[in-house]
Amino acid sequence: NAGVTQTPKFRVLKTGQSMTLLCAQDMNHEYMYWYRQDPGMGLRLIHYSVGEGTTAKGEVPDGYNVSRLKKQNFLLGLESAAPSQTSVYFCASSYSRLAGAPYEQYFGPGTRLTVT
Amino acid sequence: GENVEQHPSTLSVQEGDSAVIKCTYSDSASNYFPWYKQELGKRPQLIIDIRSNVGEKKDQRIAVTLNKTAKHFSLHITETQPEDSAVYFCAASTHNDYKLSFGAGTTVTVRA
Repeated sequence: NAGVTQTPKFRVLKTGQSMTLLCAQDMNHEYMYWYRQDPGMGLRLIHYSVGEGTTAKGEVPDGYNVSRLKKQNFLLGLESAAPSQTSVYFCASSYSRLAGAPYEQYFGPGTRLTVT
Repeated sequence: GENVEQHPSTLSVQEGDSAVIKCTYSDSASNYFPWYKQELGKRPQLIIDIRSNVGEKKDQRIAVTLNKTAKHFSLHITETQPEDSAVYFCAASTHNDYKLSFGAGTTVTVRA
């Protein structure tokens, strides 16, 4: 049981390049989330999904797109990277219909992205 | 949307002393309040949480209190140890959407 995994762990992009971050969970969770973490600002929600095929905007969605084609995967895309998107990105998941307890979010190990 | 404020931003305590972190929230509909601990370079991990129908919850050296009327909640760590050094985040959520709004974090340093 790997929990929540993220790929890649580190990435350096040039301004204007694109990339996709992959999040995978093996806990059969319904909900998945993408956060960014910047110094002194805590964790801010970018986009989230309450089920396969659904996505919704969070607090800071601009410049990002997401997709959830499979229940266990949640992809975060940057179409044209900007230096302001330099951050650590965390994926999280929660809520198994069988286990109940929908509140606790389990986090992945993070992806450190630098945009130059 | 929900706004969560967390104080202090940094906290240095002597080993064995207590540490207290306070958070306030703005949305009176919030009913779930977790605390996450994040060690350097690691992922956030849940250490304790409280729901709005409870005023206090304890787990060994950690306790959380909630005052719904004043819309604030606090984390108390007693008998601090070096391994308690980390960044602590409070968060708040409503029942309907399960989204978490996080505070900015408190860096706790336990001095030996």
